[in-house]
Amino acid sequence: AQSVTQLDSHVSVSEGTPVLLRCNYSSSYSPSLFWYVQHPNKGLQLLLKYTSAATLVKGINGFEAEFKKSETSFHLTKPSAHMSDAAEYFCVVSITGGFKTIFGAGTRLFVKA
Amino acid sequence: DAEITQSPRHKITETGRQVTLACHQTWNHNNMFWYRQDLGHGLRLIHYSYGVQDTNKGEVSDGYSVSRSNTEDLPLTLESAASSQTSVYFCATRPTRGTGELFFGEGSRLTVL
Repeated sequence: AQSVTQLDSHVSVSEGTPVLLRCNYSSSYSPSLFWYVQHPNKGLQLLLKYTSAATLVKGINGFEAEFKKSETSFHLTKPSAHMSDAAEYFCVVSITGGFKTIFGAGTRLFVKA
Repeated sequence: DAEITQSPRHKITETGRQVTLACHQTWNHNNMFWYRQDLGHGLRLIHYSYGVQDTNKGEVSDGYSVSRSNTEDLPLTLESAASSQTSVYFCATRPTRGTGELFFGEGSRLTVL
């Protein structure tokens, strides 16, 4: 069975400090993994994706994520938070080229000035 | 640029009325999806289509229907709106071949009074 667990429902950081949003997955197949961001009253936008190439994936706006098969994790990081990063972030697992897509419950990121 | 257009963006209706939410895409993707987003539930799949004349039920399809007469459009119909269907609805598309990445519209907020 496939599943996605985002370990924190809310994360609060100060502007200029690092961001870590945690995601664990379970999959019987080789998955594709994604992080999406959703700003208020907007649709989901792709931040980055892992598709069995390099395990360290760089995305937009300075975000990156590392695929760790041994830990079944795909945590999202950013060295320095910006106020504009405040949003909801979704970790997503896709198998067989998208035949099945599973969304995490989301992590809301708050950025304090 | 290719895009996904949802309309209306906001709608208020009464219990028992029929409502149709439109989704129009210019990505030329065969795969189209409708999700609803609710606090505490994340994104849940309502219906999906893998091509013209193809429609399938998702995990929360009761009270909803879709039809696919062309590649560009997948309208979502609520036959008899209920207060439990108050939600934000997202249309998404995905290319037939690829990594499973989804492309999202900006959402339609529906309130059923």
